Amino acid sequence: EAGVVQSPRYKIIEKKQPVAFWCNPISGHNTLYWYRQNLGQGPELLIRYENEEAVDDSQLPKDRFSAERLKGVDSTLKIQPAELGDSAVYLCASSLQGTSYNEQFFGPGTRLTVL
Amino acid sequence: KQEVTQIPAALSVPEGENLVLNCSFTDSAIYNLQWFRQDPGKGLTSLLLIQSSQREQTSGRLNASLDKSSGRSTLYIAASQPGDSATYLCASYAGGTSYGKLTFGQGTILTVHP
Repeated sequence: EAGVVQSPRYKIIEKKQPVAFWCNPISGHNTLYWYRQNLGQGPELLIRYENEEAVDDSQLPKDRFSAERLKGVDSTLKIQPAELGDSAVYLCASSLQGTSYNEQFFGPGTRLTVL
Repeated sequence: KQEVTQIPAALSVPEGENLVLNCSFTDSAIYNLQWFRQDPGKGLTSLLLIQSSQREQTSGRLNASLDKSSGRSTLYIAASQPGDSATYLCASYAGGTSYGKLTFGQGTILTVHP
């Protein structure tokens, strides 16, 4: 069974440019998460989807970040415009809501460098 | 707001040693607790997940314990090997209205030298 797929794996852009990350969750998983991991820190939740609905986006900087999950499967996270402080690893995870422990499975991440 | 702290921040040991990584959390009303491993430039690999009704889980040389009343979890690694070198993260799963929300510690960087 394929795991969580993310692309691209690496992205280098100049500040003020837009950037987008894509995530394909594990087949059948109805819950999808986007996390940001700064260097030397643990991941922090940006947004959580249950099917197509964003049920927790309280940590998403809405002035420049946006996300969508069309048809409740793939998801895209966008930053526009990017700032130097956005350099981080962006991780996507998925889980099957309703299981006994709701375990999250993580993708390899996208490492973003903003110059 | 849940806060998760890991001690030590970094650990360097010779091969063969048994070691303990510590994780503490401020809100004991967690649902589950999970330990992850992260290699440089990679994503997170799940090691052990302890459900709220359990006190420990074991996998090979790894044993994780959970004491919700004291807000602590430990990851025990027996007979450490150079291949165990990585960053180890613990994360608590929230219950209630924030069901499923993961809060991570900052990680322990482990180096096992031959």
